[in-house]
Amino acid sequence: GAVVSQHPSWVICKSGTSVKIECRSLDFQATTMFWYRQFPKQSLMLMATSNEGSKATYEQGVEKDKFLINHASLTLSTLTVTSAHPEDSSFYICSAREKTGQYYEQYFGPGTRLTVT
Amino acid sequence: DAKTTQPTSMDCAEGRAANLPCNHSTISGNEYVYWYRQIHSQGPQYIIHGLKNNETNEMASLIITEDRKSSTLILPHATLRDTAVYYCIVRVDRVGYNQGGKLIFGQGTELSVKP
Repeated sequence: GAVVSQHPSWVICKSGTSVKIECRSLDFQATTMFWYRQFPKQSLMLMATSNEGSKATYEQGVEKDKFLINHASLTLSTLTVTSAHPEDSSFYICSAREKTGQYYEQYFGPGTRLTVT
Repeated sequence: DAKTTQPTSMDCAEGRAANLPCNHSTISGNEYVYWYRQIHSQGPQYIIHGLKNNETNEMASLIITEDRKSSTLILPHATLRDTAVYYCIVRVDRVGYNQGGKLIFGQGTELSVKP
């Protein structure tokens, strides 16, 4: 199957700083990318959906000014956590969707563990 | 997208078949049933999906009831490496239908394969 990479795989930052997470589709063009967040012992929660070249659509309750998403190309999306606080510590997972004929295939990255101290 | 209901946890003996049920009684005609799994601290891994016919691939089999209100994922010979959380999701798949549905994860079933 297609591969989605994330960088970094883990990051530790100080409270008040910003952190950028990259998501890349390595061997396909992703018309749409998704960002999820997962707290310990919980399921994945969809944060936002982004289409290449347009603004991201955020799920209810997700602060768009805090979680900045940029989808500048068909193979790259970035999530920036601005002014991070300890409660933002979580596992962030991106997913990329490829249109194959009349259907969609969706692939997930390995995740990025963010710890805010 | 329709919601799903899965048991919270299940155990399975190594080498035996693991049968994971999922209820999706409000599924609509253009929604597919997808199964993903997540091994601890990794991203979800696609397993299989289907619309109304039973499906089989190298990982698993998917049995969908005739009324499509429930399905069962079967891992024919479970190994210790199959220990994971298994998610059943229903969503629109086809291009043109609201650009395809979003994958919304429920709580899933935590499968423990024991020696």
